[in-house]
Amino acid sequence: NAGVMQNPRHLVRRRGQEARLRCSPVKGHSHVYWYRQLPEEGLKFMVYLQKENIIDESGMPKERFSAEFPKEGPSILRIQQVVRGDSAAYFCASSRPGQSNTGELFFGEGSRLTVL
Amino acid sequence: GQNIDQPTEMTATEGAIVQINCTYQTSGFNGLFWYQQHAGEAPTFLSYNVLDGLEEKGRFSSFLSRSKGYSYLLLKELQMKDSASYLCAVLLGYKLSFGAGTTVTVRA
Repeated sequence: NAGVMQNPRHLVRRRGQEARLRCSPVKGHSHVYWYRQLPEEGLKFMVYLQKENIIDESGMPKERFSAEFPKEGPSILRIQQVVRGDSAAYFCASSRPGQSNTGELFFGEGSRLTVL
Repeated sequence: GQNIDQPTEMTATEGAIVQINCTYQTSGFNGLFWYQQHAGEAPTFLSYNVLDGLEEKGRFSSFLSRSKGYSYLLLKELQMKDSASYLCAVLLGYKLSFGAGTTVTVRA
């Protein structure tokens, strides 16, 4: 009974490269959230997606960041032309339909991006 | 903006009790959550309060006062495995807004 699966767990990129982070939600969950956690800071909301729809991307930087959750396959958070400030842990969480307004999210173990 | 404040660190002895306070000033409120996060791991759900009062779940209890914008998480009979970060989060619509977390260290 797999939980939220994220890969890669650790990713190292040089400045200017692209980072792609993948998230497979809990089976049966169709709502996905991405959060970013910087050292010594709390989890910051980035984007909320349902299958094939971006519901709320108010926490996403306007440039270089994009997210998708296709009909088939995992959700992907894409960061183009990475900079050192993008170094962080990126957590994906999922919830069941109808559970998105109860707040009980199931988190993955995160993808730790290091930009050299 | 949203303000969710909790202490940065707390230390306690094995078997003791620790209370982690959280105050919030947010533009809405649909509930307050506590999550536990061990270093390098996923946050895991601990408790949820939407009405005022105390919710007890084993060794962990959570309290909410909406009028005061205040919650606390109470950890009793502390064990070494309770050493972790505890995250207070306010639900605004479908969005969880997190505090920076309180790192609890349990000493023998």
